[in-house]
Amino acid sequence: QVHLVESGGGVVQPGGSLRLSCAAAGFSFSSYTMHWVRQAPVKGLNWVAIISSDGGNKYYADSVRGRFTISRDNSKSTLYLQMDSLRAEDTAVYYCARVLSDSSWHTFDYWGQGTLVTVSS
Amino acid sequence: QSALTQPASVSGSPGQSITISCTGTSSDVGGYYYVSWYQHHPGKAPKLIIYDVNNRPSGVSNRFSGSKSGNTASLSISGLQAEDEADYYCSSYTSSSAHYVFGTGSKVTVL
Repeated sequence: QVHLVESGGGVVQPGGSLRLSCAAAGFSFSSYTMHWVRQAPVKGLNWVAIISSDGGNKYYADSVRGRFTISRDNSKSTLYLQMDSLRAEDTAVYYCARVLSDSSWHTFDYWGQGTLVTVSS
Repeated sequence: QSALTQPASVSGSPGQSITISCTGTSSDVGGYYYVSWYQHHPGKAPKLIIYDVNNRPSGVSNRFSGSKSGNTASLSISGLQAEDEADYYCSSYTSSSAHYVFGTGSKVTVL
């Protein structure tokens, strides 16, 4: 049973930092590329970042590039999102998601339940 | 990169069929067979229901089906059930720097 559990969300002031974690279980984490996706309040889903299975390839949405860093620790089956220089518009529920396969990075087959990040003074 | 366009809401009575559209451009929906659909009950994890335009993951009801014509993809739900009431999102790979783009979301209401 694939299980993804996000943590680390909370309230942070504009300009602050936060690190999100996504603990994976039930599959071989080190074999799968992973994504972060977010959903602002009363808004739709938005892709944030992706990291390949070995961590060697990383891509970001334009809105977070240079401020957010995606990483992973395969020995701990954990995905991370380091968020710096946070802005009010980064307020959202953040989901981690697994890709369907190594040839299907565009398909998010399992998702966590999300962790809420609120950027407010 | 703009979000893919979906109708804000779609409704139907139990047992009826509905269709949700997802309109993009030749850089995303129209250019690749990489369209997926997700069912999202608020407060829960989104669920993959269709991938690569018309493929269903194991365990997903065959009442869900997908198709694509030009720059528009569609999700059809037949035999509408109360449990189908949720938000639905399409997504696609895009050749733009955005890499992956989602639809604006459609709220399905079972009357």
